Amino acid sequence: NAGVTQTPKFRVLKTGQSMTLLCAQDMNHEYMYWYRQDPGMGLRLIHYSVGEGTTAKGEVPDGYNVSRLKKQNFLLGLESAAPSQTSVYFCASSYHGTSLAKNIQYFGAGTRLSVL
Amino acid sequence: EDQVTQSPEALRLQEGESSSLNCSYTVSGLRGLFWYRQDPGKGPEFLFTLYSAGEEKEKERLKATLTKKESFLHITAPKPEDSATYLCAVQAVGDDKIIFGKGTRLHILP
Repeated sequence: NAGVTQTPKFRVLKTGQSMTLLCAQDMNHEYMYWYRQDPGMGLRLIHYSVGEGTTAKGEVPDGYNVSRLKKQNFLLGLESAAPSQTSVYFCASSYHGTSLAKNIQYFGAGTRLSVL
Repeated sequence: EDQVTQSPEALRLQEGESSSLNCSYTVSGLRGLFWYRQDPGKGPEFLFTLYSAGEEKEKERLKATLTKKESFLHITAPKPEDSATYLCAVQAVGDDKIIFGKGTRLHILP
């Protein structure tokens, strides 16, 4: 049982390049989230999805796009990377239901991205 | 606007020296409060969830408590392996998202 797996673990991009970060979960969770974590800023929500085929904007969505074509996968795309997007990116997933215990988010190990 | 503030930003303790971390929150209606632990280079790991004022949860040397405005994470007789960043998060009623505080970096000296 792998939980939440993020690919790749590290990446260095040049300004203007594009890339896609992949998040896969094997817990049959409905909800999936993408966060970025920067020193002194905490975890900030980029985009999230409440089910297959759905996406919604979070706190800092500009410069990112997402897709949820399959329930188990959530992709984060950077079309034209900028140095301000240098960060650690975390994916999380959760059930959703009336029980608060079902709203616990489980996180991947992160992707460390540097944009030069 | 929903907000989570954690204090202190960083805390250094001697092994065995008990202390508390604070999480103050402002939310329209609290559905739940979460505590996570994050080790360097890893993703956050769930510790506790609290639903209502007066509730307490314990796990080994950690105890989380909740009031209507804040939560405390009490650490009793900590060990060096308790060194980590502790994150607090809240979920508002009717919201699909949770909001994280910036965390408290805890360092336990042997």
